[in-house]
Amino acid sequence: GENVEQHPSTLSVQEGDSAVIKCTYSDSASNYFPWYKQELGKRPQLIIDIRSNVGEKKDQRIAVTLNKTAKHFSLHITETQPEDSAVYFCAASMSRYGNNRLAFGKGNQVVVIP
Amino acid sequence: NAGVTQTPKFQVLKTGQSMTLQCAQDMNHEYMSWYRQDPGMGLRLIHYSVGAGITDQGEVPNGYNVSRSTTEDFPLRLLSAAPSQTSVYFCASSYSAGPYEQYFGPGTRLTVT
Repeated sequence: GENVEQHPSTLSVQEGDSAVIKCTYSDSASNYFPWYKQELGKRPQLIIDIRSNVGEKKDQRIAVTLNKTAKHFSLHITETQPEDSAVYFCAASMSRYGNNRLAFGKGNQVVVIP
Repeated sequence: NAGVTQTPKFQVLKTGQSMTLQCAQDMNHEYMSWYRQDPGMGLRLIHYSVGAGITDQGEVPNGYNVSRSTTEDFPLRLLSAAPSQTSVYFCASSYSAGPYEQYFGPGTRLTVT
């Protein structure tokens, strides 16, 4: 089945610096790639997503880039703030199920040091 | 709109007991799903439904049953609880089958002793 891997598993950054999390996926027909943020004890919430016909998407301090040839996509957070501390999950659609299923990575813990 | 709601928030079961985790959404979403979240394992799909009367298995369906008699509700049944089912369970819904945002409920923390 679809395999989604995230690196690094834990990332510590100084407040104001940038954070980058990379995900790789195995299904070359995947066409939807969301990122979810989960704060401690809370539910996952979508922060940004990208479809395969776009190489980059930006929303204020958050951006996602997609490289379909290499089958990886990355989350970029600029000017990090303490409230960015959370676990971030990437996911990829599973084409053999008609793209109505997502395969999630295991998550990255991001810690922003004030 | 309340969005996606789940009950209970916390539950402790003894091995062998059965129970139903409730999930409801008021957004008229066709697609609903159940995930379990274990430390270091991410979110794993248990069962999902693309509409009322239609359900299918995900990655880890063993020990769980679902049904979808209405668009709004998607309960998850544990048939005979085992310690390996200790986890946080999230229900999610999205507009339709396809690449749409999934909205998660607040989760149910289940402990099986």
